[in-house]
Amino acid sequence: DAGITQSPRHKVTETGTPVTLRCHQTENHRYMYWYRQDPGHGLRLIHYSYGVKDTDKGEVSDGYSVSRSKTEDFLLTLESATSSQTSVYFCAISERVMSNQPQHFGDGTRLSIL
Amino acid sequence: GNSVTQMEGPVTLSEEAFLTINCTYTATGYPSLFWYVQYPGEGLQLLLKATKADDKGSNKGFEATYRKETTSFHLEKGSVQVSDSAVYFCAPKKTSYDKVIFGPGTSLSVIP
Repeated sequence: DAGITQSPRHKVTETGTPVTLRCHQTENHRYMYWYRQDPGHGLRLIHYSYGVKDTDKGEVSDGYSVSRSKTEDFLLTLESATSSQTSVYFCAISERVMSNQPQHFGDGTRLSIL
Repeated sequence: GNSVTQMEGPVTLSEEAFLTINCTYTATGYPSLFWYVQYPGEGLQLLLKATKADDKGSNKGFEATYRKETTSFHLEKGSVQVSDSAVYFCAPKKTSYDKVIFGPGTSLSVIP
């Protein structure tokens, strides 16, 4: 299994509070991604990174920010959490940009915003 | 834009039944095609892939053939087991940059 650790695995918090989710990899892969998974929507890309300090928005980036100061860590921050951000969040990594390379996923973080 | 259409779930089958999960896609360029599986409480895992037309990906008894003419990548298994109960995602991957478009997922339940 790819060395991907997401933390925390579960979190419950209140509307308006800041939340940071961490993704840590031991594979030295260049590409890292944050997705959210919601019933009826499958996985939707929030942000991704193609190198240290290089990030870009995905399809549902509003309300989220990311940072990547080291190859191994990719942080997802909800500056002021809202109930619509209740979801399961997955981090993924990929080694190269070539289309035939799959992504490898962490086990997810279940986030509940009350 | 690019998109994926998967058959609606949930799908419930008896053990040893034949499985087909349909997947069609629209994408610019010439994507690679992936099926991922998600077991309860876990992240997605790569199940199989195909990188060019007429390629057949296979793993754990599952198969899917890249059909360029119909832009399809249907997943099949001849005899499902209870342990195959999971959510299955079809995912074309664009060639221009390293992103994956995920279908909505199809939930499969296999009953003894």
